[in-house]
Amino acid sequence: EPEVTQTPSHQVTQMGQEVILRCVPISNHLYFYWYRQILGQKVEFLVSFYNNEISEKSEIFDDQFSVERPDGSNFTLKIRSTKLEDSAMYFCASSEVQGQGYGYTFGSGTRLTVV
Amino acid sequence: AQSVSQHNHHVILSEAASLELGCNYSYGGTVNLFWYVQYPGQHLQLLLKYFSGDPLVKGIKGFEAEFIKSKFSFNLRKPSVQWSDTAEYFCAVNPNQAGTALIFGKGTTLSVSS
Repeated sequence: EPEVTQTPSHQVTQMGQEVILRCVPISNHLYFYWYRQILGQKVEFLVSFYNNEISEKSEIFDDQFSVERPDGSNFTLKIRSTKLEDSAMYFCASSEVQGQGYGYTFGSGTRLTVV
Repeated sequence: AQSVSQHNHHVILSEAASLELGCNYSYGGTVNLFWYVQYPGQHLQLLLKYFSGDPLVKGIKGFEAEFIKSKFSFNLRKPSVQWSDTAEYFCAVNPNQAGTALIFGKGTTLSVSS
């Protein structure tokens, strides 16, 4: 069964440093998403991406965040200057057709710890 | 603001017990509803979904959920749980309008003892 792959599974970074979280979506999927879950809280939508541009983003996704599809396979989330409150599990997802949760495939997540 | 409430934070059951996990949402329009499961160390997996039609939806692994529009609820049920059902369960809503974001509840941890 096709999978969404996320690397690394766990990343520890110092406050103020830049981090890049990587995702390889399913190859024939066209829509890509990032969600995050702060420990003990709900899974929150960050951003969706289609046709090489952001199609929707939440209030969380401020200027510190950016996404990119640098090549035909990777989809990255960059946090420019990490804060302690960015510590969370970050989930990538992809879908063949536009969202509404139908056909989403999630990755296993990257646990980001900012110290 | 739209929100999803899962009232049970942690549920502990013995094998063969029946399960019901509550989910309520606050959105007055048409919605699409989902239950996701996350087994330890694994990714979020879709258990079942409701878009329209029969409000009783059957999913994988013997799970079902009932959409009650008047109560804004979409509770998850299973008649007899197994140890392998130990996982975190998330209810999610997508308002049926432009936009693709899923709104998740906080999740319920289910622990099943053998």
